[in-house]
Order: sequence, then structure tokens, then C-alpha cells
Amino acid sequence: DTGVSQNPRHKITKRGQNVTFRCDPISEHNRLYWYRQTLGQGPEFLTYFQNEAQLEKSRLLSDRFSAERPKGSFSTLEIQRTEQGDSAMYLCASSPRRAPGQFFGPGTRLTVL
Amino acid sequence: DAKTTQPPSMDCAEGRAANLPCNHSTISGNEYVYWYRQIHSQGPQYIIHGLKNNETNEMASLIITEDRKSSTLILPHATLRDTAVYYCIVKGGKLIFGQGTELSVKP
Repeated sequence: DTGVSQNPRHKITKRGQNVTFRCDPISEHNRLYWYRQTLGQGPEFLTYFQNEAQLEKSRLLSDRFSAERPKGSFSTLEIQRTEQGDSAMYLCASSPRRAPGQFFGPGTRLTVL
Repeated sequence: DAKTTQPPSMDCAEGRAANLPCNHSTISGNEYVYWYRQIHSQGPQYIIHGLKNNETNEMASLIITEDRKSSTLILPHATLRDTAVYYCIVKGGKLIFGQGTELSVKP
């Protein structure tokens, strides 16, 4: 399967713990996006990378959140000191340079107890 | 960013055409209209996009009014597997999702 992959698919953690999610975009897609989706709502933009450069961050991305994309390939999203309000589906998407549309992964569902 | 308005839900009989409307009256001249759908428990899926002209691909057709203030996504022969939330988005780059339209295709 050459689509966007995300790991883990599910994560249950206790409040205050740190969690890290990984996204592997489609090969040669230089743009990578992270979104968050809570129940009953549409996805909300978190951050965007072009190659290894993080070009935009939403105000939703508090200082407890950090995202990286070393070498412009896979990306990680880390949440420190998780709170119950962080419970959501975290979606990753990638797109090529000159083509429309973003290709989404299956998401990582985070539950903070 | 241009805002979109979609009906919260629609029903469609299997095999019939599903016509999903979207209003985007504040769209600016260089903004594209994108449609995505999200099947339950999956990530969103790109369907189609357009600027001024009507567009068709293997999944759907997109009809954009001449003044570009609204558009309609057409699924010509809806199947049960088309049951999903459909999002109309006016912007490239970072996507700004609204509430979308929950389409239920019924046998």
C-alpha cells in the first residue's frame, strides 16, 4: 500500500503523559499536514511542512505540541503533558508539489484518561 | 478565508444521483472549490476540485455557478458505499473544514 500511513492507530494514555505519533507520507510528496478532529466536527488544521521546513502553525498548536519532519520524509507529532481535551483523532495528510488535493492517512485516535 | 455553507444532512436512494449543494458567496477570484468526503472512522478523501469550469472525474461531477457563489457536487449513481460526510472547502493549502453534509444512501 503506497498511501499515507500513521502509527499507532490507537493510543490510550493517562493525563500528564507524553505521546508521540508518526506519519509516513506518500513517497515524494513534499507537503505534509497535521489535522485534529474531535467527535462530530470536521478536521482542524494544526501545522504544515514543506519538505523539512515547518511553514505554518495553527493557534491550536499550544506549546505542549511539537511537530518535526527531519529530512523531509516522515513526520512526528508530540504532545507533552497530555490533557483530557487532547483526546481526538490526529490526521496526517500529504500532497505533491504541483497537484491539487491532499491524501489523508487513517489517523491516530488518542484517548486521554 | 471564504466560508462555506452546506445542509447538515441529505438522503439519497441507491442508484439515484446525489446532488450536494454548497454556498460560498465570499469566494475570491483565485480560490478553488474543493470537495472531500469522510467515511466513518477513515481519513478524508479528496474527490474533485474546480475554479470556474465544471469538472468531472471518475468519482463525481462538480458544477460551479457562473458567479462562483455556489457549487454542486454530483454523484451520478450513488451506492451504499457513498454514505459519508461530504465537505466543500474553498481554499488550497491548509484545508478549513466546516461541518459538511452527512449523506445517507439508502437501499
